Amino acid sequence: AQSVAQPEDQVNVAEGNPLTVKCTYSVSGNPYLFWYVQYPNRGLQFLLKYITGDNLVKGSYGFEAEFNKSQTSFHLKKPSALVSDSALYFCAVRDGRGGGYNKLIFGAGTRLAVHP
Amino acid sequence: GAGVSQSPSNKVTEKGKDVELRCDPISGHTALYWYRQSLGQGLEFLIYFQGNSAPDKSGLPSDRFSAERTGGSVSTLTIQRTQQEDSAVYLCASSLEGLAGGYNEQFFGPGTRLTVL
Repeated sequence: AQSVAQPEDQVNVAEGNPLTVKCTYSVSGNPYLFWYVQYPNRGLQFLLKYITGDNLVKGSYGFEAEFNKSQTSFHLKKPSALVSDSALYFCAVRDGRGGGYNKLIFGAGTRLAVHP
Repeated sequence: GAGVSQSPSNKVTEKGKDVELRCDPISGHTALYWYRQSLGQGLEFLIYFQGNSAPDKSGLPSDRFSAERTGGSVSTLTIQRTQQEDSAVYLCASSLEGLAGGYNEQFFGPGTRLTVL
């Protein structure tokens, strides 16, 4: 079955320090992976995606993610956290069983708190 | 350009009433998705539209839920005889998607927060 796991409910980081938000996945076939961010009372905003190619994907707001096939992981990273990065982060995988469209399966979300 | 818009932003209703939630996707986006975000269930897929057709309705929780899309644009999600467990944030997303695609990112609206008393 297709699934996504975000093992941490919350991640706390000091401003200026590097951050990592973890995601592991289970899919049949090639994984199409996404990260979204949700600010309070807002919809989800796309950050980045992995479809194929380089394992290190760069996205919006200085975020990047590393695809690791052997560990079935797609961790989100940023070299230097900002207080404004504090939000809810979702990892998602495409459920490709239905054909050529992008029904997404989301992880439970990880709340990132960046402290001044 | 304009993003995905949803209305109303908040809806409070009484148990047993019907509600309609509206989604205006980004112009030109052929694919439209409805998701539900609730505390107990996280983010869950409800239904997918390609144009005006809904090839995947597998996420609709019960036959009280229905959705339609007209003119390849606006979509309405209708919940009949609402129950308290329907309380959630209903999110709409759109993307450029063709049957041969399947990996374009989705753009989400701000959601409709539904509260059933």
